[in-house]
Amino acid sequence: QKEVEQNSGPLSVPEGAIASLNCTYSDRGSQSFFWYRQYSGKSPELIMSIYSNGDKEDGRFTAQLNKASQYVSLLIRDSQPSDSATYLCAPPTGGSQGNLIFGKGTKLSVKP
Amino acid sequence: NAGVMQNPRHLVRRRGQEARLRCSPMKGHSHVYWYRQLPEEGLKFMVYLQKENIIDESGMPKERFSAEFPKEGPSILRIQQVVRGDSAAYFCASSVGRRDLGGYTFGSGTRLTVV
Repeated sequence: QKEVEQNSGPLSVPEGAIASLNCTYSDRGSQSFFWYRQYSGKSPELIMSIYSNGDKEDGRFTAQLNKASQYVSLLIRDSQPSDSATYLCAPPTGGSQGNLIFGKGTKLSVKP
Repeated sequence: NAGVMQNPRHLVRRRGQEARLRCSPMKGHSHVYWYRQLPEEGLKFMVYLQKENIIDESGMPKERFSAEFPKEGPSILRIQQVVRGDSAAYFCASSVGRRDLGGYTFGSGTRLTVV
């Protein structure tokens, strides 16, 4: 059973702080990883992708991948109230199928 | 360039009726995925299709649910004899290739309510 684990939260941080979101996965075959953001009542929106070990930065977002530990994280610097949403981690299942399996998501609340 | 189009946005059905959900992928995308999201739950994979082929239906309930992606027209997710437990948001996503390094693009979803 391929699994993705995320802390469901809610994670509450003050405005301007760094929010740290974590994800572990069980499928060692996963090669690429995606972070999606989902506002309440809306559809998931891709915000970051990472394919190799290390860090990838995009504006206020940094994704970190450690394949040996089967761990991927998302850091949000200078958090804003508009970042309040549920963040979904999605590694592919690996193998030949490639369909994304999502974690349950971490609900982030940024307090003004 | 239109994104993934899903319709209807909201669908109300009485128990025992059929629900038909439609999804038109982004232009140039030939891979379609359906996901279900129950209230306060994560996204659950249902089925992965290419034109005229079901590639992976491991997430589909064994009964009452079916999906197709014909040569012409949108992908259809059909739920027969709906029950209250089918009430959920159903999202369709599409990608260029099977292992799309760009991830998936999601449609706005169809919110199904069974009364």
